[in-house]
Amino acid sequence: SQQGEEDPQALSIQEGENATMNCSYKTSINNLQWYRQNSGRGLVHLILIRSNEREKHSGRLRVTLDTSKKSSSLLITASRAADTASYFCATASQNAGKSTFGDGTTLTVKP
Amino acid sequence: GAVVSQHPSWVICKSGTSVKIECRSLDFQATTMFWYRQFPKQSLMLMATSNEGSKATYEQGVEKDKFLINHASLTLSTLTVTSAHPEDSSFYICSASTTGSYGYTFGSGTRLTVV
Repeated sequence: SQQGEEDPQALSIQEGENATMNCSYKTSINNLQWYRQNSGRGLVHLILIRSNEREKHSGRLRVTLDTSKKSSSLLITASRAADTASYFCATASQNAGKSTFGDGTTLTVKP
Repeated sequence: GAVVSQHPSWVICKSGTSVKIECRSLDFQATTMFWYRQFPKQSLMLMATSNEGSKATYEQGVEKDKFLINHASLTLSTLTVTSAHPEDSSFYICSASTTGSYGYTFGSGTRLTVV
């Protein structure tokens, strides 16, 4: 099964609202990353949070990490129609060095 | 910032033929490259990990004779889908990292359609 599991699987909101996506994982990690993917395109790296960090900000993005609960959340504030995309979390394990992706959350922001 | 170029961005081929996809790190040395496969509306599944100059490590269930990976230099890895069949149609994405880094840079992906 996937290391990361996002919820919700799909999220539809109005422009200007905030969007929150969650990611849970199973094993110990070195870091967790969030990516964005527009339909049919490659992945764009949004933010990386290390296992010893609890919160990180980048523009309208806020990521939290709770290693005790093995979960992370991505908050997009003041959403825009252009934020419509799929969002994936990926965990890098402490041993293997490879990233494992969750199933993703499809975000639709209505203008 | 780090850039990974993946080529071609899309390809259509006939059943039975082979297709090569290239992944290049343009401004950094990629000690490790990863190849992923993505089906429509699904997540990315790691296929294999390749380290420069050594054999690729394939994930369970991935046929190494079908998906040939070569990482001959620190800036280039290739994935060759041999004797392609329609079920191999998918979106293939590479990513690269360098020693000591925490993040990965992804290519823009290749849409393979086998007819």
